[in-house]
Amino acid sequence: GAGVSQTPSNKVTEKGKYVELRCDPISGHTALYWYRQSLGQGPEFLIYFQGTGAADDSGLPNDRFFAVRPEGSVSTLKIQRTERGDSAVYLCASSLGVNNEQFFGPGTRLTVL
Amino acid sequence: AQKITQTQPGMFVQEKEAVTLDCTYDTSDPSYGLFWYKQPSSGEMIFLIYQGSYDQQNATEGRYSLNFQKARKSANLVISASQLGDSAMYFCAMRANTGGFKTIFGAGTRLFVKA
Repeated sequence: GAGVSQTPSNKVTEKGKYVELRCDPISGHTALYWYRQSLGQGPEFLIYFQGTGAADDSGLPNDRFFAVRPEGSVSTLKIQRTERGDSAVYLCASSLGVNNEQFFGPGTRLTVL
Repeated sequence: AQKITQTQPGMFVQEKEAVTLDCTYDTSDPSYGLFWYKQPSSGEMIFLIYQGSYDQQNATEGRYSLNFQKARKSANLVISASQLGDSAMYFCAMRANTGGFKTIFGAGTRLFVKA
């Protein structure tokens, strides 16, 4: 596709469950970012991939959060033992390189009941 | 520590007038980039404009210009000839080149354009 896509667009889960959020970046973009945006706030950086490797995962809040990008394209953000505080919109962005502007996907709205 | 501050939670502007959205930043890194994004009610983040710390001239993109004052560490966004479709949240962001690869966003300013 022409832009960054994210699936699902909405995810409702129960506290304690495991969820996976998928990001499909723009073709050819080597840099991929995950952010979390809570209501009324700016996006909060979670993790950055350059190719297949996580170049900076300093924003992951704890070890329940993990992300992979095995083939340097699609990425999956994984959240274990979800908590109500994990409820937010999870945004993915990609760019040609770290010094280029980021193009964002529409986000996945996660609701933990 | 790196920080972005947007002090205007909300702004009103009359259609066809210009508006300035404030942004100040803090970093000790001499090499950094500053970005502005627009987020309409649909939720998608739209890139507007970029300014590099070593750029000699202020960035411009159509009706958007960035008033970069390096000594004051400010990077205000100026929107000229406001349109109703400009009503949205606007986020200022910074990436410092030696602060890892994270991009730090401000809390945003909600702009309302009045007809």
